[in-house]
Order: sequence, then C-alpha cells, then structure tokens
Amino acid sequence: DGGITQSPKYLFRKEGQNVTLSCEQNLNHDAMYWYRQDPGQGLRLIYYSQIVNDFQKGDIAEGYSVSREKKESFPLTVTSAQKNPTAFYLCASSMDTTQYFGPGTRLTVL
Amino acid sequence: AQSVTQLDSQVPVFEEAPVELRCNYSSSVSVYLFWYVQYPNQGLQLLLKYLSGSTLVKGINGFEAEFNKSQTSFHLRKPSVHISDTAEYFCAGINTGTASKLTFGTGTRLQVTL
Repeated sequence: DGGITQSPKYLFRKEGQNVTLSCEQNLNHDAMYWYRQDPGQGLRLIYYSQIVNDFQKGDIAEGYSVSREKKESFPLTVTSAQKNPTAFYLCASSMDTTQYFGPGTRLTVL
Repeated sequence: AQSVTQLDSQVPVFEEAPVELRCNYSSSVSVYLFWYVQYPNQGLQLLLKYLSGSTLVKGINGFEAEFNKSQTSFHLRKPSVHISDTAEYFCAGINTGTASKLTFGTGTRLQVTL
C-alpha cells in the first residue's frame, strides 16, 4: 500500500524538551514538506526538501530542524526554542506540483 | 499564488441541498489551483486540481470546481451534499514557475445537517 505515514499520532512533551516527529513515504516522491496547522488558520510551511541531503526553510522555520538523509524519510525536530509548539503537524510529499498528505501528528506541550 | 482567500469560515447547509465554497486567489503569473478536504484529526485529502485545459474540473465525492481567470476565482461546488461531507475544506494555489511554494487559504468549515 503506497502512502505517507506519520508517527506518533499523538505526542506529549514537557516544556524544554526536544521531540522528533517521523514522516515516511513509499511513493518514490522527490520532494517532502512539513506544515504546521493551528485552529482557524491555514497550513503554514515549516521546511521543505526537494532532494536528498538538501532542504530549505519555509515561512516559520524558527525553533524547528529537519534532515533528509534518505529519499523516503523527512523527520522534523521541534526544539525547546520553539515558543508555542502545541499544534497539528502535517507532512506531505510530491513528485510534481501536487502534494499528498500524511495523517498528521498532534503535539501537545504540557 | 501570492495569496489565497476563502471568504467564508463556515458554511451551514441542509442535506441534499447544493453548496458553493468560495476561493479567490491573487497572482501575477499563471497558477495551479487545488481543493483539499480534511476530516477531524486527519490529514488533507486531494479533492481536485486545476493545472490547465478545461476550466471545469471534476473531483472525487461528486465535487467540481470552475477556474475563472477574469474573476481570479476557483469556487468549489456540489449539487447535493450528504452528512458525510461535513469537514474542513482548503483551497490552495501555486505559481506555475519552478521553486514555488503552495499557498493555502484559511479553510471553510462545511456543516451539513438534516
């Protein structure tokens, strides 16, 4: 079954802790993306990668970091520098202009 | 697209009634346009997209949208909605040039009731 998987579905973190969200795709897509979604807002781009070992900052990259060591994987680390990390995080991938999304991870900071 | 605007944050409608969700975009160049649907606590699912060709685009679940370049709009329509269509709908656009990012509207909550 082809698709995008994100884990975990729910994640709780204490203030001051770093946490890593997983995103894996088996669609053989070159590009991958991370978005943040807050209530009443659209999706905001955090980071994106168009090829392995390369990535670019999106509109709200501060307090986040990524890596792209394999084509199928694009993990996102939410660092302690992110002041308001509680949100729904969505990963996407694309081969051309059409992006396909994973099921999301809901992160809550306690 | 420089910006994508969804004017209606919520649209209530009765089951079996028609519905239109509005989307306007601004761009100085040609754009590709998309509609996505999001059910609670899930990711976004692609409903339909306009890349080129016919301005009337048909998607999944009986939805369709019409690209109108003169009015810079891409409204989503369904002739008869079902309870199961209750969800958040997002319009998004991207310039046709390379290295361009997808811009999302703020979403429209479609609430279908009996």
